[in-house]
Amino acid sequence: RKEVEQDPGPFNVPEGATVAFNCTYSNSASQSFFWYRQDCRKEPKLLMSVYSSGNEDGRFTAQLNRASQYISLLIRDSKLSDSATYLCVVKLAGSNYKLTFGKGTLLTVNP
Amino acid sequence: EPEVTQTPSHQVTQMGQEVILRCVPISNHLYFYWYRQILGQKVEFLVSFYNNEISEKSEIFDDQFSVERPDGSNFTLKIRSTKLEDSAMYFCASPPKFGGTRNEQFFGPGTRLTVL
Repeated sequence: RKEVEQDPGPFNVPEGATVAFNCTYSNSASQSFFWYRQDCRKEPKLLMSVYSSGNEDGRFTAQLNRASQYISLLIRDSKLSDSATYLCVVKLAGSNYKLTFGKGTLLTVNP
Repeated sequence: EPEVTQTPSHQVTQMGQEVILRCVPISNHLYFYWYRQILGQKVEFLVSFYNNEISEKSEIFDDQFSVERPDGSNFTLKIRSTKLEDSAMYFCASPPKFGGTRNEQFFGPGTRLTVL
């Protein structure tokens, strides 16, 4: 089983749509969770950390279910500028802050 | 957002040559990381560096690779004898601030390494 597994995508949605990304992780010792976005041939950029209680940042909502080892990201009212690859990222406990990435899900928001 | 810089942006080299990739991490930080991303694949951890020593490395980080902090600010990744499969984007990363949320990492713009 892959360490971090995401929806393969790609997702194509119209502007204004709501889109959800799902992610599962295999190691129950995982400690910290993040969503990054990556534009084509650019570096990953931190979108948001994911907390156990769930957290929201504007149009973005992240959820964590430790029992199911599942992480989600919801984007509401999607914009053209949201088009990117969304990366689910996990840090194991005691791993010196090494990050483990999923392969990512490509989102294209169409006008 | 804190800034990590990397040079060069693109490096082309012949197989078997040595390359040195450079990073200037966020200042006053002790933790640094190198990751790579082969085109079309996921970002992979290479090595973490803490207080001038390697603290963790992956299976990818074999004897061909080394890291240094030669002058207290720059942070380098050296590949001694490049192979075709070393062609990838190489990203340097560091946390935003010491004593803060060290779990979060900010990435430099990367160096695209092409081995011919």
